[in-house]
Amino acid sequence: GQSLEQPSEVTAVEGAIVQINCTYQTSGFYGLSWYQQHDGGAPTFLSYNGLDGLEETGRFSSFLSRSDSYGYLLLQELQMKDSASYFCAVRDPGGSYIPTFGRGTSLIVHP
Amino acid sequence: GAVVSQHPSRVICKSGTSVKIECRSLDFQATTMFWYRQFPKKSLMLMATSNEGSKATYEQGVEKDKFLINHASLTLSTLTVTSAHPEDSSFYICSARVTPGGGYGYTFGSGTRLTVV
Repeated sequence: GQSLEQPSEVTAVEGAIVQINCTYQTSGFYGLSWYQQHDGGAPTFLSYNGLDGLEETGRFSSFLSRSDSYGYLLLQELQMKDSASYFCAVRDPGGSYIPTFGRGTSLIVHP
Repeated sequence: GAVVSQHPSRVICKSGTSVKIECRSLDFQATTMFWYRQFPKKSLMLMATSNEGSKATYEQGVEKDKFLINHASLTLSTLTVTSAHPEDSSFYICSARVTPGGGYGYTFGSGTRLTVV
């Protein structure tokens, strides 16, 4: 089976930097993805890490350490619109492509 | 990019009636579609995986006779909630895998908020 752990809530102020951690336990591994979901909306894909290291996409970066079964999403220059839930997800390694999502981290950005 | 169109976005129905939710892949062929259910402030719970032209695979604990899934074409999958009850009220989301070139991610429909009264 697969399981992911991430904090339930993170609070930060506008302009700050915040890191959302994710640890996972899987029977195999085929990359770690991150999704953003605003209240009432659908999740949108943010980033993917298949190999160790940092992937940067604008204000968002994602990091993976396969030896530690750990990754994080880094959000810089926080804006109010970044208030949302963030989910890490792993994919079934057996070829079925079924993703398993973490419970989600609610990010609250204050002025 | 790859888009999945989901309808309706909101539906209110009476207890005992059935509701159909449609998901269409607009600019790609989705051989596999995933159906999720999400409760407020909770994660996405996979209900079933639908494969074009074959029976859906349901997750443990999901009643296949209650949640009917049909994937008749490469661009359309439907979820029908039969004999709906208030406890079926939830946010239902479909998702399709985006093949490499689309970010190794999944693209989601906009979700359907079902309220059973």
